[in-house]
Amino acid sequence: AQTVTQSQPEMSVQEAETVTLSCTYDTSESDYYLFWYKQPPSRQMILVIRQEAYKQQNATENRFSVNFQKAAKSFSLKISDSQLGDAAMYFCAYGDRDDKIIFGKGTRLHILP
Amino acid sequence: DSGVTQTPKHLITATGQRVTLRCSPRSGDLSVYWYQQSLDQGLQFLIQYYNGEERAKGNILERFSAQQFPDLHSELNLSSLELGDSALYFCASSVVSGSRELFFGEGSRLTVL
Repeated sequence: AQTVTQSQPEMSVQEAETVTLSCTYDTSESDYYLFWYKQPPSRQMILVIRQEAYKQQNATENRFSVNFQKAAKSFSLKISDSQLGDAAMYFCAYGDRDDKIIFGKGTRLHILP
Repeated sequence: DSGVTQTPKHLITATGQRVTLRCSPRSGDLSVYWYQQSLDQGLQFLIQYYNGEERAKGNILERFSAQQFPDLHSELNLSSLELGDSALYFCASSVVSGSRELFFGEGSRLTVL
């Protein structure tokens, strides 16, 4: 069965600095999707970034980028120029071809002013 | 506003009772997912429907059941409730089968006393 592991329960970063959140996953499939979702205190789940496994190029969305290492089954999220509004719970997620999408336990990110 | 509507937003009930949570997906979305998020935990995948048919099943208890109706709305039924069932229950929808972006509702907060 597929699993998603986020080894950092909490992280802190100074405002305007860069932080990287780690995620590893386990799968025997070659075709899948990976996601990072943000959950602010409002509890609303918001998609941050999405990566198709068949694409070698790392996805980027403004200040958010990923480092996708398929062989290592690693999918880290880098947040550049951290802002106070980035404070949230971040979830890594894996989606297979059968549409099952599973989430890691999350990393709580604190932004220090 | 994601376009996914969940009702009720809050629900307080007693152990042993049964409740029904309702979800209306975004217009045009055929897939509906249900997730359970206990306090400060990750999202546990419960079940997924696609165009009325069950497509993927996660760690859903036998006391829980779900269905998707012809108009594509979905209901999650929780019975013989226990204290540990207290959680935030999210519904999410996606446009087509094939691991696209999930659009989440605001969740239904269930408190079992």
